[in-house]
Amino acid sequence: DIQMTQSPSTLSASIGDRVTITCRASQGTSTWVAWYQQKPGKAPKVLIYKGSSLESGVPSRFSGSGSGTEFTLTITSLQPDDFATYFCQEYNSYSNFGGGTKVEIK
Amino acid sequence: QVQLQESGPGLVKPSQTLSLTCTVSGGSINSGYYYWTWIRQHPGKGLEWIGYIYNSGSNYYNPSLKSRVTISADMSKNQFSLKLSSVTAADTAVYYCARTYSGYVWLLESWGQGTLVTVSS
Repeated sequence: DIQMTQSPSTLSASIGDRVTITCRASQGTSTWVAWYQQKPGKAPKVLIYKGSSLESGVPSRFSGSGSGTEFTLTITSLQPDDFATYFCQEYNSYSNFGGGTKVEIK
Repeated sequence: QVQLQESGPGLVKPSQTLSLTCTVSGGSINSGYYYWTWIRQHPGKGLEWIGYIYNSGSNYYNPSLKSRVTISADMSKNQFSLKLSSVTAADTAVYYCARTYSGYVWLLESWGQGTLVTVSS
């Protein structure tokens, strides 16, 4: 199984900041990585799939990049609605999700 | 648009069996294109696969839970169910049912709202 190591686990940021979250896969996975956003009391939803493809309806300030073993989720200008927890996932095979990154207000 | 809704007891005693049902509307669980999945999230923690049912009868279970898990489907009611036996406090979590994107085994498109199950005497 591929293990996904996500960092940081918590991130404090201000409105308008550029935010970067990283996931490292224990073995190469091409671009079969998705990023989910989860708000308190809600189910996760997909933001990015196939490493860099934006899910329909997701604001363009979200972007994904990477391939192989290192993947990044970037929020170019943090908005109030973006304070949430983010998870990465390798989805080409059975694997665990990343441990999550909680984006908090600074 | 498909919608999923979990139901079942919110409190289960240790050593008993946790039973949850996911009722699906807006789509048929008999479709061969989707995997119908259970995921759980321990309080304040990450997401953990439990398993899925596919094509009405094929299953995959998390190896760490396999000996205790059964996922089944009732086509007549458009529901699929989770049974987790011999529960302990470590099984206290929010349980989600979910459906994958068409053709994908592990990429989750639609989720239920989640239901908190507490294991306690």
